[in-house]
Amino acid sequence: GQQVMQIPQYQHVQEGEDFTTYCNSSTTLSNIQWYKQRPGGHPVFLIQLVKSGEVKKQKRLTFQFGEAKKNSSLHITATQTTDVGTYFCAENSGGSNYKLTFGKGTLLTVNP
Amino acid sequence: NAGVTQTPKFQVLKTGQSMTLQCAQDMNHNSMYWYRQDPGMGLRLIYYSASEGTTDKGEVPNGYNVSRLNKREFSLRLESAAPSQTSVYFCASSLYSNQPQHFGDGTRLSIL
Repeated sequence: GQQVMQIPQYQHVQEGEDFTTYCNSSTTLSNIQWYKQRPGGHPVFLIQLVKSGEVKKQKRLTFQFGEAKKNSSLHITATQTTDVGTYFCAENSGGSNYKLTFGKGTLLTVNP
Repeated sequence: NAGVTQTPKFQVLKTGQSMTLQCAQDMNHNSMYWYRQDPGMGLRLIYYSASEGTTDKGEVPNGYNVSRLNKREFSLRLESAAPSQTSVYFCASSLYSNQPQHFGDGTRLSIL
């Protein structure tokens, strides 16, 4: 099936710095979802992007879907310690039985 | 608001033992999923059930079986546990199979 490559694998920032994680695919994606998993917790859905070039914002988080629908990014402005966790992108395989394929995630740590 | 409930939360097994992981959701969702999460590997789909009465293999189904008991419950069975199955197992559900997924708290399984 399709695979999404997520970079970087790890990112350490000082509190207040910005953070971006990228999700890339060699094929066109039907849509993409983003999840956050706090240490020791379970993944929590953040957002779904469907349209080419779509941009959505949630407070300090900005999500983008590329024009060719082959890549996506999550940008956090002015990180806080509460942003610590692993951010996963996940793509829908499409077809009659949609199922998600998750990227390996980006672990964000924030130094206060 | 229980959401997705997994039992047990922790389990230690010996190689060769069998075990069933239970999952129930109270959101009237149609689709349910079982994932395993290993360090550096992200979330990998074991089996899924797009709707009541159907089950399909995911990325890593070997060594596992599932039962969609009814709309609420989706169980995962290890018939003969192996150390390679040591992992954190997450159950998830979604209204339909292309919708955002809601995860349970996970089962931490160790096989000695």
